[in-house]
Amino acid sequence: NAGVTQTPKFQVLKTGQSMTLQCAQDMNHEYMSWYRQDPGMGLRLIHYSVGAGITDQGEVPNGYNVSRSTTEDFPLRLLSAAPSQTSVYFCASSYSGGYNEQFFGPGTRLTVL
Amino acid sequence: GENVEQHPSTLSVQEGDSAVIKCTYSDSASNYFPWYKQELGKGPQLIIDIRSNVGEKKDQRIAVTLNKTAKHFSLHITETQPEDSAVYFCAASAGGGNQFYFGTGTSLTVIP
Repeated sequence: NAGVTQTPKFQVLKTGQSMTLQCAQDMNHEYMSWYRQDPGMGLRLIHYSVGAGITDQGEVPNGYNVSRSTTEDFPLRLLSAAPSQTSVYFCASSYSGGYNEQFFGPGTRLTVL
Repeated sequence: GENVEQHPSTLSVQEGDSAVIKCTYSDSASNYFPWYKQELGKGPQLIIDIRSNVGEKKDQRIAVTLNKTAKHFSLHITETQPEDSAVYFCAASAGGGNQFYFGTGTSLTVIP
C-alpha cells in the first residue's frame, strides 16, 4: 500500500492564480481531511469528508474548495491564491473519523508570491 | 470551538532522561486525545491516544495521562533516545465527531 499520497511536493504561485492540490489514499478509508500547518500554529483543519459526495468545513475553510467524487481522492482547490495561503498542506485519512487513527501524507509546501 | 494549548514549545533533555509535554483543552465535550510525532520533512504520525473514560495509557516508553476535571492531558516519554527528537502535537476531538483541534507543537531535542 502506498498509504496517503500528495502531489505536488512543492509549488510556487503568484497571487490570484488557481491550483489544485491532489490527495489520494489506497486504504479504502471513508474519512479524509485537509490541514494547513503554519509556524507556531500547529495544524488547522480546512475541510473534511466522511465519504464520497459528502464534505464539510473545518476550522479555516475560507479560500479553499473541496469535492469528493471517489473514495480514493480528495483534491483541495485554491481558486484565487493569496499570500496568506502560503503554508504546508497535509492530507489525512482514517477508516471512519472519530476515534480512528489518522494517516497523514507527506505534505505539499505552497508559496504564494 | 475547541482551544488546545500546548507547553513547552521547545524541550531539550539528555539521553536517558524523561520528557513531559502538557496540553489543556477548553471544550468539555472533547473526549478523544491523540498525540502525534512529526519528523523533519514528514507528515505527523500517531504515537498514542486516550479516550476520556481512561485516566492513563501506556505503550512501552510512552504514556499519556488525562485529567478531565482540570481539562488537561500530558505525554510522558521515559528513557529518551536521540530518535525521539521530533515535533510532538497533541490534539482533541469530540469522539465520534470529525473535527480535530491541534496544539501548537513541542520541538523535542534529545542530546546524546
